[in-house]
Amino acid sequence: DIVMTQSPDSLAVSLGERATINCKSSQSVFYSSNNKNYLAWYQHKAGQPPKLLIYWASIRESGVPERFSASGSGTDFTLTISSLQAEDVAVYYCQQYYSTPLITFGPGTKVDIK
Amino acid sequence: QVQLVESGGDVVQPGRSLRLSCAASGFTFSSHAIHWVRQAPGKGLEWVAIISYDGSNKNYADSVKGRFTISRDNSKNTVYLQMNSLRPEDTAVYYCARDGIPRGSGSFCNYWGQGTLVTVSS
Repeated sequence: DIVMTQSPDSLAVSLGERATINCKSSQSVFYSSNNKNYLAWYQHKAGQPPKLLIYWASIRESGVPERFSASGSGTDFTLTISSLQAEDVAVYYCQQYYSTPLITFGPGTKVDIK
Repeated sequence: QVQLVESGGDVVQPGRSLRLSCAASGFTFSSHAIHWVRQAPGKGLEWVAIISYDGSNKNYADSVKGRFTISRDNSKNTVYLQMNSLRPEDTAVYYCARDGIPRGSGSFCNYWGQGTLVTVSS
């Protein structure tokens, strides 16, 4: 089974500052046959369903603000919020789908305002 | 617009059964796999099960294998999760979610329902 880890567990960032979340998989989620990383990022606000932000490791879902970006390959990935807004307070999860149909989520990173 | 609406959540005693439903609309239901994902109180997201677009393939997390059964009725645009031998640790909000790739085997979830709460307690 592919195990996902995230760091930090939580972080507090001032409004307008950068927030960076890391995600690591226990094995590579990169398929060389199609040159794709099978990794997604979600935002989960309290009382709401999760929202897809990023898929294929770096492709922003339609409607997601440009301040959200993601990068990485193989086993190490990063989600960056370039200028934190109040509405970005949430828990952020990475998810691998390399072992499709069995998918796994990371433990989550809580983002708050400092 | 794409909509997923879960129902069936309730308070049940340990060892009892419950069936959740996920009614979908706004897209070609028979073209997408559907996932169930849960969140226990104070915990993170846990993937539970997936059913392929045509119902021919079903897969489960180890934590529910042998106790939960996923099914779908493409004529009713509905997915079901039959939960048997429920345990207190199954207490969670259960979300159904649409897989992002048409006729794919399981990938990211690009649409989610609002969730339904299942509480297992004596």
